[in-house]
Amino acid sequence: QSALTQPASVSGSPGQSITISCTGTSRDVGSSNLVSWYQHHPGKAPKLIIYDVAQRPSGVSNRFSGSKSANTASLTVSGLQAEDEADYYCCSYAGGGTPNWVFGGGTTVTVL
Amino acid sequence: QVQLVESGGGVVQPGRSLRLSCETSAFMFDIYVMHWVRQAPGKGLEWVAVISSDGSNKYFADSVKGRFTISRDNSKNTLYLQMDSLRPEDTAVYFCASEVSETYFFDYWGQGTLVTVSS
Repeated sequence: QSALTQPASVSGSPGQSITISCTGTSRDVGSSNLVSWYQHHPGKAPKLIIYDVAQRPSGVSNRFSGSKSANTASLTVSGLQAEDEADYYCCSYAGGGTPNWVFGGGTTVTVL
Repeated sequence: QVQLVESGGGVVQPGRSLRLSCETSAFMFDIYVMHWVRQAPGKGLEWVAVISSDGSNKYFADSVKGRFTISRDNSKNTLYLQMDSLRPEDTAVYFCASEVSETYFFDYWGQGTLVTVSS
């Protein structure tokens, strides 16, 4: 199973909005709404920020939002803040006959 | 506060074995599906293995199938990853992560333990 495709880096100024794309195939991203997003500050535990394409866990800022069209999912961070500087990974359940999950290559977000 | 703490990483020669542990606390461990996910240096995340809440079902990524085994001890709230026939490409930080059954996302993660396979 190939990794999902994400841009290597995205940057924005404080207060701006950024969007990270995550492109897969009809066998993973396009096959269901089982897409999730994780924020990872290196050296720390990754954190779930979006599940089921667009759902936010309790306690996650509403500045994070998700969407999907066909084989591409997207994460938007609005009102960019310094603390948003991190690596972001998308993930899709890709199980057909055998359970399997596939991640994107990760996107480093820089707050200018 | 939920905590997942991995241990057991280190430097190991190619072909040798290593067992990782993931101890959990403040957490209903025995109802959670548990996963291992890894991150090679400078690379993205890669799903490695999953085990059902009662330990009866286990699945692996093709890259580790036949070499890695996943297990759990619900009496000790601990998850394990037995890694045999290690290769240099298995060098990575290994994270354990939890999943509420059949939700297909990872709600809690540990901070990871580094495994380096090198002669």
